[in-house]
Amino acid sequence: EDKVVQSPLSLVVHEGDTVTLNCSYEVTNFRSLLWYKQEKKAPTFLFMLTSSGIEKKSGRLSSILDKKELSSILNITATQTGDSAIYLCAVERWRRGQNFVFGPGTRLSVLP
Amino acid sequence: SQTIHQWPATLVQPVGSPLSLECTVEGTSNPNLYWYRQAAGRGLQLLFYSVGIGQISSEVPQNLSASRPQDRQFILSSKKLLLSDSGFYLCAWDRGNSYEQYFGPGTRLTVT
Repeated sequence: EDKVVQSPLSLVVHEGDTVTLNCSYEVTNFRSLLWYKQEKKAPTFLFMLTSSGIEKKSGRLSSILDKKELSSILNITATQTGDSAIYLCAVERWRRGQNFVFGPGTRLSVLP
Repeated sequence: SQTIHQWPATLVQPVGSPLSLECTVEGTSNPNLYWYRQAAGRGLQLLFYSVGIGQISSEVPQNLSASRPQDRQFILSSKKLLLSDSGFYLCAWDRGNSYEQYFGPGTRLTVT
């Protein structure tokens, strides 16, 4: 059965800290890995990764995929209280209609 | 621009009652449509996806069903709700060749 695992499940840090969120997967017909940020309701897209070793960066957030290790990390530097959210990792499979397997998420709390 | 709508935003229903959640997408045609459920402390679980009118694929066996009567309308239904149906339901869409999914605002369902 395809699955996506994230760690830690929850994390509490103080503003200015750097955090690393982990995602590992066991999925057949891997196509891509995506990171989402979910603050209150619907997740919002952060990154999509398809190639191993290529870092995607957006401001203080960056992510990289390791296809050999079947994993990805999401880094957030100089955290702010606005970074508090659930971060979801999802793996897209090569299947008709496209579909995604989501991890349980990491709940990040950034304290002032 | 494309927008996705879901309603109702919140719903409290007794066990054994029927359910109908609606999702509509504007500004695009022939999207892939998805229903996800997010239970407390768990990741997003894909329930149904559709690549076209009348075409529904189910990912997990359950007492829920889905229908797509029109190109940009996706409906999630149940004849008799169970307590375990409580959760946060998200509708999403994507283009056939796109990697990113766009999520609706979600419906929080509480079965009492």
